Amino acid sequence: NAGVTQTPKFQVLKTGQSMTLQCAQDMNHEYMSWYRQDPGMGLRLIHYSVGAGITDQGEVPNGYNVSRSTTEDFPLRLLSAAPSQTSVYFCASRVAGAPYEQYFGPGTRLTVT
Amino acid sequence: GQQVMQIPQYQHVQEGEDFTTYCNSSTTLSNIQWYKQRPGGHPVFLIQLVKSGEVKKQKRLTFQFGEAKKNSSLHITATQTTDVGTYFCAAIIQGAQKLVFGQGTRLTINP
Repeated sequence: NAGVTQTPKFQVLKTGQSMTLQCAQDMNHEYMSWYRQDPGMGLRLIHYSVGAGITDQGEVPNGYNVSRSTTEDFPLRLLSAAPSQTSVYFCASRVAGAPYEQYFGPGTRLTVT
Repeated sequence: GQQVMQIPQYQHVQEGEDFTTYCNSSTTLSNIQWYKQRPGGHPVFLIQLVKSGEVKKQKRLTFQFGEAKKNSSLHITATQTTDVGTYFCAAIIQGAQKLVFGQGTRLTINP
């Protein structure tokens, strides 16, 4: 099993550009989520999904969209990138329902200039 | 705002010294999880506590869950350079599905 995979690993965007961060998992996990990590702020939840077709907002959803058309994939879209979105983005997945351990992808380091 | 508060934000110790990080919430937690993130890496699950007053050990690491299920701690005895990293607590707030993380404690060690 590859676990949780993310692409790209690094990305530089100009302000106003849009892009999609890809996330996929092969563990048949119902629950998937996106976090951003900034110095001193820990991991902040952006969006999460408890299954295909179901998404919900986390702590910092503004500026980001998600969709969940399949169990395996959970892409994160930046509609109009801003310098405040410079961060490291982690995708994660776990079994839904009971609080099972969460598996993280390797992360995408995004810089917006 | 942050629903799970973690302190301290940074801790620097000499190799062989002990280390403790604390996690607190104003609301009752269903469970508490602990993760470790090595520099440049991604968070990796360490353990989960579910019961009030629960204590679990993993070699030199001791994890505790408070009696009121509103706080938790991670204690490392006799730190080693392999313990370097950031330690996060995380919790599912009762009634919700989402896993919320504390700010993390970054541990650095002087060999």
